[in-house]
Amino acid sequence: EVQLVESGGGLVQPGGSLRLSCAASGFTFSDHYMDWVRQAPGKGLEWVARIRNKADSYTTEYAASVKGRFTISRDDSKNSLYLQINSLKTEDTAMYYCTRDYDKWGQGTLVTVSS
Amino acid sequence: DIQMTQSPSSLSASVGDRVTITCRTSQGIRNDLGWYQQKPGKAPKRLIYAASSLQSGVPSRFSGSGSGTEFTLTISSLQPEDFATYYCLQHNSYPRTFGQGTKVDIK
Repeated sequence: EVQLVESGGGLVQPGGSLRLSCAASGFTFSDHYMDWVRQAPGKGLEWVARIRNKADSYTTEYAASVKGRFTISRDDSKNSLYLQINSLKTEDTAMYYCTRDYDKWGQGTLVTVSS
Repeated sequence: DIQMTQSPSSLSASVGDRVTITCRTSQGIRNDLGWYQQKPGKAPKRLIYAASSLQSGVPSRFSGSGSGTEFTLTISSLQPEDFATYYCLQHNSYPRTFGQGTKVDIK
């Protein structure tokens, strides 16, 4: 069974940093592109970032709203996806989901940015 | 960026009703579109991929159609468990973009 389990969320002050993780199991993680999608409280879904697989040189894409502040990465040896989020703003407050090919989704990890 | 216009933003319907939700895109995306259902406190669940293909395990009352710039999700006979918010997602180009969502509630 495919499983994606996010962790690393929490309460952080504006300007702070967090590293989110997504542990994958039940499939060959290294074969797949992976994405992060977020959802602010009571709002719609917003795509954040994508990382391709080794065959496509681990290249990345970002939403304009996070480019330069967020970094997506992966460790295929650990079946894990990461999102380093820096210079946090209050508008980054959201549930962050990892997703495999927009097919399988984790349960999300909540990031709250507040002083 | 590809703009997504999803309509309606909300609707009230009764069990057994036929429900149709539409997504229009600002430029052609072939059939690179999926439909998602989200219930409160839960992750999105994909219902339809490639605009019209039914995700494994999803009831056949859900169907998708369209290509290019206009897409439709239809629920042929609404069931109590279908009351939720529905989103479309285009994955033709970056940035990926979602529709604004359609909340389906009980009439």
